[in-house]
Amino acid sequence: RKEVEQDPGPFNVPEGATVAFNCTYSNSASQSFFWYRQDCRKEPKLLMSVYSSGNEDGRFTAQLNRASQYISLLIRDSKLSDSATYLCVVKGAGSYQLTFGKGTKLSVIP
Amino acid sequence: DAGITQSPRYKITETGRQVTLMCHQTWSHSYMFWYRQDLGHGLRLIYYSAAADITDKGEVPDGYVVSRSKTENFPLTLESATRSQTSVYFCAAQQGYEQYFGPGTRLTVT
Repeated sequence: RKEVEQDPGPFNVPEGATVAFNCTYSNSASQSFFWYRQDCRKEPKLLMSVYSSGNEDGRFTAQLNRASQYISLLIRDSKLSDSATYLCVVKGAGSYQLTFGKGTKLSVIP
Repeated sequence: DAGITQSPRYKITETGRQVTLMCHQTWSHSYMFWYRQDLGHGLRLIYYSAAADITDKGEVPDGYVVSRSKTENFPLTLESATRSQTSVYFCAAQQGYEQYFGPGTRLTVT
């Protein structure tokens, strides 16, 4: 089983749509969780950290289910500028090393 | 963000040559990282450093050497480049619980 698994997509959605990405991780000792966004041929940029209680930042909502080892990202009212690849990232306990999923590609269509 | 610069941004080299990729942070974050990103593999950790003169291997260290004589610099050297090392290389620094990435170096080994 891969350490961090994501649906590669692509997800093609119209502007204004709501889209959800899912991610599963294999290491139950994982401690910290993140979503990064990566535009084509650019560096990954931190979108948001994911907290146990769930967290929201504007149109973006992230949730964590430790029992199921599952992380999600919900994007509401999609914009053209949301088109990118979204990376699910997990950090182990007592470690600074990050494990990246391969990413889910999102295309928002006019 | 951690103010990370990488140079060169693009590099073409021949098999067997030594090449060094530079990474510089404008802050003084302790932890720095080198990743490579390839299609089908996502981001993989090559080496990381906890502080000046402290480095450790990541997931894919073979064929690479790092050093860190100053906190702000973390160069990555390919001692004898191979075609399999054609990739995009990202340097990152840890700020709190989050990692921030440089713009990347696109390396082609012919």
